[in-house]
Formats: sequence, structure tokens, C-alpha cells
Amino acid sequence: QVQLQESGPGLVKPSETLSLICTVSGGSVTSERYYWSWIRRPPGKGLEWIGHIHYSGSRNSSPSLKSRVSVSLDTSKNQFSLRLNSVTAADTAVYYCGRYCSGAGCSLAIDDWGQGTLVTVSS
Amino acid sequence: SYELTQPPSVSVSPGQTASITCSGDELGDKYACWYQQKPGLSPVLVIYQDNKRPSGIPERFSGSNSGNTATLTISGTQAMDEADFYCQTWVSGTAVFGGGTKLTVL
Repeated sequence: QVQLQESGPGLVKPSETLSLICTVSGGSVTSERYYWSWIRRPPGKGLEWIGHIHYSGSRNSSPSLKSRVSVSLDTSKNQFSLRLNSVTAADTAVYYCGRYCSGAGCSLAIDDWGQGTLVTVSS
Repeated sequence: SYELTQPPSVSVSPGQTASITCSGDELGDKYACWYQQKPGLSPVLVIYQDNKRPSGIPERFSGSNSGNTATLTISGTQAMDEADFYCQTWVSGTAVFGGGTKLTVL
């Protein structure tokens, strides 16, 4: 069973860059079947999809965040990462990493989620 | 941009049937899935591809999707089902979540 674990600073200053890493165990980020995703939930609000990346290099991100988001893979460490620049208080949220299964025989949904990590944007 | 609309809240008595709707333009032409999220925990997939249940999800959870509306139905609702529920679909390679529905079992 795959496990995903987010890590990174819990506090980021306004205008700086938020950086998070998701470490994958029990599965490989080089799998052809999966996209590796980032999702967040701001306090008192609902889930918001941020973006995802595939081993092939294919990636996509939310139109509303596209200009500030970068998602990348580190196959040597079996990790993927998120960078969100120019953050404001509106970026305060619990950030989740997840695994989306795409293709034949797949759920076409985010099957597996990390436990989430709270990131607060404040000076 | 594409939007999915859910009612903010739904209430149900224990043992009764709860229905949570998710509306979007021609949603029935896409696959919809549903996630349950309890306080302090990560979301859990309960329905995928409109009406399929992942292993380990109780049979009382079912789904449908037609026209502009997807529906999550919980039959014989239990107190443990109280949670936030989110629908989700894919549009041009990007994921779209509904705003979420708080299910109260009272």
C-alpha cells in the first residue's frame, strides 16, 4: 500500500515562496499509471486542486494558480515537490499530496492522500 | 472556468437516506467522483467513475451521474457518516472540486 508524507516549513512570510516535498513509499514516482498531485484546504473552506505531474514530464495546474505554481519530481529520492511563489495570507491552508490513477483499469480519481501539513503565511 | 455546485449542508436522521447533489454544465458527460473528509483527517475516496465503490467502502454509499447533476446517496445513514463531502471531476486535464457539503446526522 502506497504511503505519502508531506514535509516542509509550517510558516512562510508574505511575498516569499512556499516549498513542500511529498515522500512516496510503497510505490514509485516513475510509475506510468500515476500522476502526483497537490491539493489544499484553506481554513473554513473547501478542497482546492493545485496541480500534478507525471513521470513523463506531463504536468498541469489550476488556472487560478498557474502563474505561481511549479511541481517537480525527484526520482532519485522518490519524491515530488511543490513551489508556490509570492504567497499571501490567502495561501494559508492544509496542503495535501496525493496520487491520481490515470489510464485503463484506473479509478481516474485521487486514490491515496498524505496526512496533510498546515502552512501558515504570516510575518 | 468550470464550476461544480453543492449544497452547503444536508441533514439526515440516523437510518434514513441522505442525498448530496453536485451540479455542473453537462456533468453527466464526464466522470464524477466523491470524497469524504472527517475533521482532522485526509479525504477518502468513496465513489469513483460516477458509481463505483473502492474496496472497503460500505455498500450504503452509491452514486449516479446524469444530465447536469451527480448525486451521492447514503442509505441507512449512520452517525459515523457525518463529514464533509466533495464531488470532483476533470476538465481539460485539470481537477475541479465542488464547494463541499457538510452532512449532519441528527
